[in-house]
Amino acid sequence: AQSVTQPDARVTVSEGASLQLRCKYSYSGTPYLFWYVQYPRQGLQLLLKYYSGDPVVQGVNGFEAEFSKSNSSFHLRKASVHWSDSAVYFCVLSANSGGSNYKLTFGKGTLLTVTP
Amino acid sequence: NAGVIQTPRHKVTGKGQEATLWCEPISGHSAVFWYRQTIVQGLEFLTYFRNQAPIDDSGMPKERFSAQMPNQSHSTLKIQSTQPQDSAVYLCASSSAGGALEQYFGPGTRLTVL
Repeated sequence: AQSVTQPDARVTVSEGASLQLRCKYSYSGTPYLFWYVQYPRQGLQLLLKYYSGDPVVQGVNGFEAEFSKSNSSFHLRKASVHWSDSAVYFCVLSANSGGSNYKLTFGKGTLLTVTP
Repeated sequence: NAGVIQTPRHKVTGKGQEATLWCEPISGHSAVFWYRQTIVQGLEFLTYFRNQAPIDDSGMPKERFSAQMPNQSHSTLKIQSTQPQDSAVYLCASSSAGGALEQYFGPGTRLTVL
């Protein structure tokens, strides 16, 4: 069975500071990994995805993530956060199931608060 | 592109009543997914349709929950005899054909069972 762990339930950073949100996964096969963001009273929006190749992937709004097979990690980073980045961030794994990579496994989410 | 549309956005039912939630996937998307989000359990997969056919309902509670996709433009999730523990945000997502893995989510329906 697969799982995703986001060890930090809450992260607070000052506006303009750099950010790293941690994600560890457990899966015996080839992981397909995503970061989604959820703003209050909204659905989940895709930030970025990793399927293969370059372990550093770029996403929207200046976010990037780095895949590490040796560490089973997929951490999210941003060089300079803005107050509008305050939201809940989910690390998500897509695992092979019946030959189709459709079933998503979600981490518990990290609530990011950006302070002025 | 209007994105995934879910109606209603909020629904309040009394214990024992029926609730029907609607989802309109992105036009041209052939896969539809339902998830349930609660504070305690987080996001849980419920069921999946591809080309309107039910493919996987392994996350659906065995009793009282059912989902259908009568045509390519909408899917419904029905909960009979709702219970307080059914209170949650129900999210619908869709993805395109051809093995694309990204799922695009609607805003969700917040169900409150009194």
